[in-house]
Amino acid sequence: QVQLVESGGGVVQPRGSLRLSCEASGGTFSHYGMHWVRQAPGKGLEWVAVVWYNGIHQYYADSVKGRFIISRDNSKNTLYLEMNNLRVEDTAVYYCARDPDGGGSGSPLDYWGQGTLVTVSS
Amino acid sequence: DVQVTQSPSSLSASVGDRVTITCRASLSISTFLNWYQHKPGKAPKALISSASTLLSGVPSRFSGSGSGTQFTLTISSLQPEDFATYYCQQSYSTPYSFGQGTKLEIK
Repeated sequence: QVQLVESGGGVVQPRGSLRLSCEASGGTFSHYGMHWVRQAPGKGLEWVAVVWYNGIHQYYADSVKGRFIISRDNSKNTLYLEMNNLRVEDTAVYYCARDPDGGGSGSPLDYWGQGTLVTVSS
Repeated sequence: DVQVTQSPSSLSASVGDRVTITCRASLSISTFLNWYQHKPGKAPKALISSASTLLSGVPSRFSGSGSGTQFTLTISSLQPEDFATYYCQQSYSTPYSFGQGTKLEIK
């Protein structure tokens, strides 16, 4: 059974940085693309970023491009999201989610973590 | 970038009703459209891929249709466990945008 567990959320001041982690168990992590999706309080789901199975390709939402970096360590079955220059509007629950293909096929995200809350506030 | 517009934003219905949610893409995305169900405090759950393929374990009362720029999710007979928020997501090109969501509430 695939499990994804996010960690690293918390309270950070505007312009600060934070790194989220998502540890995967079950399945073969290195075969799958991985995404970050967020949900701001009272708002809908917002796609944030994807990294392909081999870590070579990464793509971002315009709202985070240049500030966030998605990466993965397949030897540790772990996905990361490095968030820099954080803004109040980045406040959200951040979910990691698995792409059952390599990352670029358009398949629906089949396994999700429970989310970690990031609050950007002074 | 592909913009995805979902409607309605909220919907009130009764158990047994048939409901339809619509998703419109800003350009043709063929059938690269997925549907998700999201309940408070839980992880989102994928229901339909490629506009109309029902995923394993999803009840047959759910169905999807459409191609190009217009898509629909239909629930043929609402059950109590179906009251949730539903999202479409285009997977044609990055950024893989979601619709704004449709909150389905009990009448």
